[in-house]
Amino acid sequence: EPEVTQTPSHQVTQMGQEVILRCVPISNHLYFYWYRQILGQKVEFLVSFYNNEISEKSEIFDDQFSVERPDGSNFTLKIRSTKLEDSAMYFCARPGGLEAFFGQGTRLTVV
Amino acid sequence: RKEVEQDPGPFNVPEGATVAFNCTYSNSASQSFFWYRQDCRKEPKLLMSVYSSGNEDGRFTAQLNRASQYISLLIRDSKLSDSATYLCAVNGGAGGFKTIFGAGTRLFVKA
Repeated sequence: EPEVTQTPSHQVTQMGQEVILRCVPISNHLYFYWYRQILGQKVEFLVSFYNNEISEKSEIFDDQFSVERPDGSNFTLKIRSTKLEDSAMYFCARPGGLEAFFGQGTRLTVV
Repeated sequence: RKEVEQDPGPFNVPEGATVAFNCTYSNSASQSFFWYRQDCRKEPKLLMSVYSSGNEDGRFTAQLNRASQYISLLIRDSKLSDSATYLCAVNGGAGGFKTIFGAGTRLFVKA
């Protein structure tokens, strides 16, 4: 049973559109991460989110991106005005001690 | 210098072979070290944490050399099912919890 569930598993969107990726933990966690993996490249840290606030973000996480916890359980990653280069797998992850446990990911395809 | 650097491979080995992967990291303040396994188009899954004293889990042995900022993974008696990409990862330093990944080393085990 996955500890973190992500929806949708695959999303296709047109360039310039907004997308919202969702992540639901099985148990209640205050700390969450979002990562991105462009096809054939490494897993890259985007942002960490603790207790409803961004605790750390990478240079990739620019004004185009935002994270929220809209209803106290789901975590969302919003990408405004998507670009072709936003096409990637997006993973949310929760800490377990010091290691990270990943959801199965959302494949975003921008056309 | 990349934060986490790995030989991309691929390593092509026969079943039963022993194979070793190496990884170096640049941030001497890193606190925790891991090997993850990633199957094609799937999420990274924790394989094992890496401790200074070295640790073993069945056919897998991990070693850490803090002085050289070097991490290794040894797989003995390779199985076909070991075919995957192995990601070296480091965490921490200055209180940060984000995990930084290497680009991964691809392993193909052939019958």
